[in-house]
Amino acid sequence: GENVEQHPSTLSVQEGDSAVIKCTYSDSASNYFPWYKQELGKRPQLIIDIRSNVGEKKDQRIAVTLNKTAKHFSLHITETQPEDSAVYFCAASFDTGTASKLTFGTGTRLQVTL
Amino acid sequence: DGGITQSPKYLFRKEGQNVTLSCEQNLNHDAMYWYRQDPGQGLRLIYYSQIVNDFQKGDIAEGYSVSREKKESFPLTVTSAQKNPTAFYLCATRTGRPEAFFGQGTRLTVV
Repeated sequence: GENVEQHPSTLSVQEGDSAVIKCTYSDSASNYFPWYKQELGKRPQLIIDIRSNVGEKKDQRIAVTLNKTAKHFSLHITETQPEDSAVYFCAASFDTGTASKLTFGTGTRLQVTL
Repeated sequence: DGGITQSPKYLFRKEGQNVTLSCEQNLNHDAMYWYRQDPGQGLRLIYYSQIVNDFQKGDIAEGYSVSREKKESFPLTVTSAQKNPTAFYLCATRTGRPEAFFGQGTRLTVV
């Protein structure tokens, strides 16, 4: 089955700096890679995702890059703000158009300090 | 607010008891999932169901059971066989799109 590793487990940055979270996956068949943000005591919510036919995707201050050859993908947050403080999870799945399993990484706790 | 309702929000279980966590959705999504969240371990899949009357084990199914009698409902029973049930449990749904939608979660504590 799929295995997703995520690093670092904790990350502290100053407001305005950039943050990068990295994930690797094991199953070369995986073709869908979402990122979820979970604020304290709340549900995880999708913030950005990428499919394997795309190398990079950007949405305002958030971007995700994918390297299929190396089987790793990364989340980049620029100009960080205190409200970016949360736990971030990467995930991977082989999405065939019908429901399939999402395998999650272990999470990164991001702290944005003033 | 997402159309997925988990209840109760907090649940306390005595050792040796079975407890059932509820997950109801009005999104008309076909697939439903149960995840367990422990500190530092991310989200681990317990069971999932892609259609009514069918479900599959996830990575950590031992000590848990589920049913899917209706499209809207996917209850999870934590049995006495689950030796370490204290955790945060999340229900999720998906449809033809790959995005997963999560409920608010149930925090289960063994007392």
